[in-house]
Amino acid sequence: GESVGLHLPTLSVQEGDNSIINCAYSNSASDYFIWYKQESGKGPQFIIDIRSNMDKRQGQRVTVLLNKTVKHLSLQIAATQPGDSAVYFCAEIDGSGGGADGLTFGKGTHLIIQP
Amino acid sequence: DTAVSQTPKYLVTQMGNDKSIKCEQNLGHDTMYWYKQDSKKFLKIMFSYNNKELIINETVPNRFSPKSPDKAHLNLHINSLELGDSAVYFCASSQVSLFDYEQFFGPGTRLTVL
Repeated sequence: GESVGLHLPTLSVQEGDNSIINCAYSNSASDYFIWYKQESGKGPQFIIDIRSNMDKRQGQRVTVLLNKTVKHLSLQIAATQPGDSAVYFCAEIDGSGGGADGLTFGKGTHLIIQP
Repeated sequence: DTAVSQTPKYLVTQMGNDKSIKCEQNLGHDTMYWYKQDSKKFLKIMFSYNNKELIINETVPNRFSPKSPDKAHLNLHINSLELGDSAVYFCASSQVSLFDYEQFFGPGTRLTVL
């Protein structure tokens, strides 16, 4: 079936560097995308979202880019800090279902921040 | 204040037993969900309820029965537990609108079936 996937299972970056986490999705009907951060032993935590009518959205130290042509989503984290170490998931939803359909998650990327 | 809470945090039980996991949200949301996260961290939707009405049942065995006594609660009852049911189960909630599909997740319940 259709799913959202990630290119790299583990990403290791130096503290202070920028990191980019990528995600590919296959459902062309998806119109809403979210990045979640999951720390060990905790539930997923919302980071940033983007609708399909946008190609870029910025938050505090994070930027999400959406390329609908190639069905690609990325999360950029600026000046990574030790607290950024976590597993990052992209998720998508087809809002035409009324929004109660549940999110389709990618496989997750484990971001490791090296001191 | 905890927005989405689950009990218990950990659940260890024998194969064949019946167990329940409880979920409560104090966000006033109208939609609640159950997700299963396997050992490889893959998260998959199991059920969603909107205003106490079942919306999604994603090919989950009928040993799993969600119950929503009111909008703020969505419990998950599992009969005849199997080894493959071992996972972390997350409850989530959202207020469905045209503009926002963000879901808020609970801390998870780690179920271990021996």
